[in-house]
Amino acid sequence: DGGITQSPKYLFRKEGQNVTLSCEQNLNHDAMYWYRQDPGQGLRLIYYSQIVNDFQKGDIAEGYSVSREKKESFPLTVTSAQKNPTAFYLCASRYGPQDRGRVGNQPQHFGDGTRLSIL
Amino acid sequence: QKEVEQDPGPLSVPEGAIVSLNCTYSNSAFQYFMWYRQYSRKGPELLMYTYSSGNKEDGRFTAQVDKSSKYISLFIRDSQPSDSATYLCANGGRDDKIIFGKGTRLHILP
Repeated sequence: DGGITQSPKYLFRKEGQNVTLSCEQNLNHDAMYWYRQDPGQGLRLIYYSQIVNDFQKGDIAEGYSVSREKKESFPLTVTSAQKNPTAFYLCASRYGPQDRGRVGNQPQHFGDGTRLSIL
Repeated sequence: QKEVEQDPGPLSVPEGAIVSLNCTYSNSAFQYFMWYRQYSRKGPELLMYTYSSGNKEDGRFTAQVDKSSKYISLFIRDSQPSDSATYLCANGGRDDKIIFGKGTRLHILP
């Protein structure tokens, strides 16, 4: 079945450590996104990528980094510079502007998230 | 930053009742509207997607958009305990931006 797979489901970070969250999709979507979800805060956009080898900062990019070397994969690294990393991280994807024949904007589809906590 | 506003709830209704969930949005340039359902410790699941004013129906779910008042609604008929979740509304434009509401928690009481 097509979908978005995030791993691991739970992750713990030690002080000063970088950790990487995985996001893989087999939906053939061009665009991929990372969000952070905190209680009462809603979804906040960290980074997004509309095409391989290109990505843009979202609203809260500080302390995070991404790469997009393959269409299927968009890993997120939470660096030691992110002082409050405890949150639920969600990856999403959708058909983007590079997809021919798609009319208008397309909705985003989400993975099941990674919960990151501090040790 | 343009906003999407939702009442956080919780909203508790008896099983079988009609549920009405509502959002307001502020950016009239954003013409696409979505409703997502999110269970605890899971990612949001797309329920409804529409870009026009009026009603769109899918099974027990009806999405209603009123662009003149910037008001979005989701109706759930014959509500079930399995409908208990957080419901997110979202509003998107022709660029890559989607603005999400903070969600309304819904409890269906057996």
